[in-house]
Amino acid sequence: AQSVTQLDSHVSVSEGTPVLLRCNYSSSYSPSLFWYVQHPNKGLQLLLKYTSAATLVKGINGFEAEFKKSETSFHLTKPSAHMSDAAEYFCVVSDRPPGWSSASKIIFGSGTRLSIRP
Amino acid sequence: EAQVTQNPRYLITVTGKKLTVTCSQNMNHEYMSWYRQDPGLGLRQIYYSMNVEVTDKGDVPEGYKVSRKEKRNFPLILESPSPNQTSLYFCASSFGGTYSNQPQHFGDGTRLSIL
Repeated sequence: AQSVTQLDSHVSVSEGTPVLLRCNYSSSYSPSLFWYVQHPNKGLQLLLKYTSAATLVKGINGFEAEFKKSETSFHLTKPSAHMSDAAEYFCVVSDRPPGWSSASKIIFGSGTRLSIRP
Repeated sequence: EAQVTQNPRYLITVTGKKLTVTCSQNMNHEYMSWYRQDPGLGLRQIYYSMNVEVTDKGDVPEGYKVSRKEKRNFPLILESPSPNQTSLYFCASSFGGTYSNQPQHFGDGTRLSIL
C-alpha cells in the first residue's frame, strides 16, 4: 500500500540558513515523487519531481531533493532560505498499479508549514 | 496562458442546496482530478477522470458527483451538501491518461462553507 509521511508539520528557520523538509514514503511499485509548494490563497505549484532518472533532482527557486530508495525518503532541501520561501510544502507519491487500464494512485502528505525568521 | 480555472472561488451556502463547482483547463490534458484540503490532512482525492466519459472514485467520493462530457471541463457536483463538506477544494489536471508521472497543474481553489 502507498503512504506518504511528512515528518514535521512545522519547520522554522532563519533567513539565510539551510532548509530541510523531510518526507518518507511507501510504495508497492515504482513510484514517481513530487514536491509542491502552496502559498496562501493559492493553488499548488510544482517544485520538482523524481521519475526514476537521476536520484538527485533539482527544482525551481534553488530547491532540490534526493531520492533514497534504501531509506524510502525524498527529503527537500535548500542551502539558504529566503523570506519568500515561507509557505506550505507537500510531498506527493504517484504509483501505478498493474494493468493497462489502471490509473495512477496519487497520495499527498499532510504538509509542512515553513516559516522564515528575519 | 496555461491555467486551470475554478469557479466560484468562495461560496457560503446552506445544507441541502445543490451546488456545482466548475473546473476548466486550457492545456488539452487528459487527466483531471478533484481534491479537498482539510487542516492536518493534506489533499485527499475525491474523483478523477482519465479522459472524456471516464471517471472513477478517489479516496473520499461520498456526497460528490462528477462528469466529464468535454475534455476541458470537469465539474464537481454536491447534490445535497452537508456541513462536513465545508472545505477547500482544488481541481487539477495533467497529461497522461491511464498512467501519469506528469506533474499536476492546480487551480487556485474554491472555499466552500456549508451552514
